[in-house]
Amino acid sequence: GIQVEQSPPDLILQEGANSTLRCNFSDSVNNLQWFHQNPWGQLINLFYIPSGTKQNGRLSATTVATERYSLLYISSSQTTDSGVYFCAGGIQGAQKLVFGQGTRLTINP
Amino acid sequence: DAGITQSPRHKVTETGTPVTLRCHQTENHRYMYWYRQDPGHGLRLIHYSYGVKDTDKGEVSDGYSVSRSKTEDFLLTLESATSSQTSVYFCAISADLRTVNTEAFFGQGTRLTVV
Repeated sequence: GIQVEQSPPDLILQEGANSTLRCNFSDSVNNLQWFHQNPWGQLINLFYIPSGTKQNGRLSATTVATERYSLLYISSSQTTDSGVYFCAGGIQGAQKLVFGQGTRLTINP
Repeated sequence: DAGITQSPRHKVTETGTPVTLRCHQTENHRYMYWYRQDPGHGLRLIHYSYGVKDTDKGEVSDGYSVSRSKTEDFLLTLESATSSQTSVYFCAISADLRTVNTEAFFGQGTRLTVV
């Protein structure tokens, strides 16, 4: 099965900073999602992005499927952005998402 | 928000007892999944369903069984709970493969403690 690796595992920033989170996958996926797990444990959908670039406010994501990676950009970080960010990929036909280990983001005031 | 309800939200049970977790959806999605989340492992797939009475194993299926008798309900059963099954369990749903968007949505999670 596919392997999904996220980097960095931990990231500590000051409020207002920008950040880039990376997700590498071992094989071609055509079902790539980014999630934010908030301090209460809830998984929030950020992007469904099998390929291309999407933006939602201060967040944007880019997936380059042919090179097997995806990036999540957070600009002008706020303390409410803290939490764990997961990427997950799946192979069309199986619809089973494989998760990376996550990046724990801490935004200090 | 996707209509997914997990119950119970918290449960403490004793080793060796059977436990059933329920996932209920109001989206009429074909696919339903059970994941567990443990420190250092992210989320791992236990079982999934691709239709009523159609289920398959995920990567960590030992010790678990599932059933789906209706489109809206997917049950996860621990036949004889063990301490290693202490975890947070998430249900997820996604639409049919034939749709353009197969985005998955997750429930609120169930925290299970086996003592």
